[in-house]
Amino acid sequence: GAGVSQSPSNKVTEKGKDVELRCDPISGHTALYWYRQSLGQGLEFLIYFQGNSAPDKSGLPSDRFSAERTGGSVSTLTIQRTQQEDSAVYLCASSLWGESYEQYFGPGTRLTVT
Amino acid sequence: KNEVEQSPQNLTAQEGEFITINCSYSVGISALHWLQQHPGGGIVSLFMLSSGKKKHGRLIATINIQEKHSSLHITASHPRDSAVYICAVCRSQTSGSRLTFGEGTQLTVNP
Repeated sequence: GAGVSQSPSNKVTEKGKDVELRCDPISGHTALYWYRQSLGQGLEFLIYFQGNSAPDKSGLPSDRFSAERTGGSVSTLTIQRTQQEDSAVYLCASSLWGESYEQYFGPGTRLTVT
Repeated sequence: KNEVEQSPQNLTAQEGEFITINCSYSVGISALHWLQQHPGGGIVSLFMLSSGKKKHGRLIATINIQEKHSSLHITASHPRDSAVYICAVCRSQTSGSRLTFGEGTQLTVNP
C-alpha cells in the first residue's frame, strides 16, 4: 500500500514568509509525528498527534511553529515568519498507536530559508 | 550528555567485513529502533526491539536492557549498505511513542 507522503519535497522561501508543510500518513495509522533534521545534526522531535487526544507539542522550538491534523489523517506543519535557522529537512512519520509499533517515515520536505 | 549515544560516528569498511555499530542510552525505554538513512535522505526502519535479538537477512540487532546498550551488526557488508544508521529510543512514558535519536553512524563500505 501507499506509504507516508509529504509535500512539497523542496521549499525555498524568503526570511519572514510563512510556510506550510503537508503530511499524508498511512491509512489507518492513528499516530503521526513531525521531526526535524538540521544540516549536519541529528533528528529532533517536534510534535505528535494521536487520534483525538491533545497533541504533544513539547518539541516545538518556538511559537512560530504550529501543526494541526484534520480528521485524524492529513497533518499540516506551519512555520510563521521563517528564519534562516528554520532551514532543515522536516520529516513526518506515522504508526499504529502504542509503544510497540514501528514508525514509517515520509521522504521529508527540505526547507531552505534565504 | 546526550540521552542516546552512538559509536563510532564514522566507520569505513571493506566489502565483506563484519560491522558493529553500538548504541548506549541513559533513560528508561519501552523500545529501541534502528533506522537507516540513505544519501537521498529517506529513512527506513530496520528493527524495533525491546529485548533479546532480531535478525533480518544480513542484519542483526541485539539489546541488553540491564546494561542499556544495543548493537547493530551487518554480516558480509556490501557497498549498498553505505548509509547513516541511527539508533532511536522510545522513552518509557505515558504520553506517546516519540523517539529520541542518536547522532547517527555514517557507514561507508568500499568495494
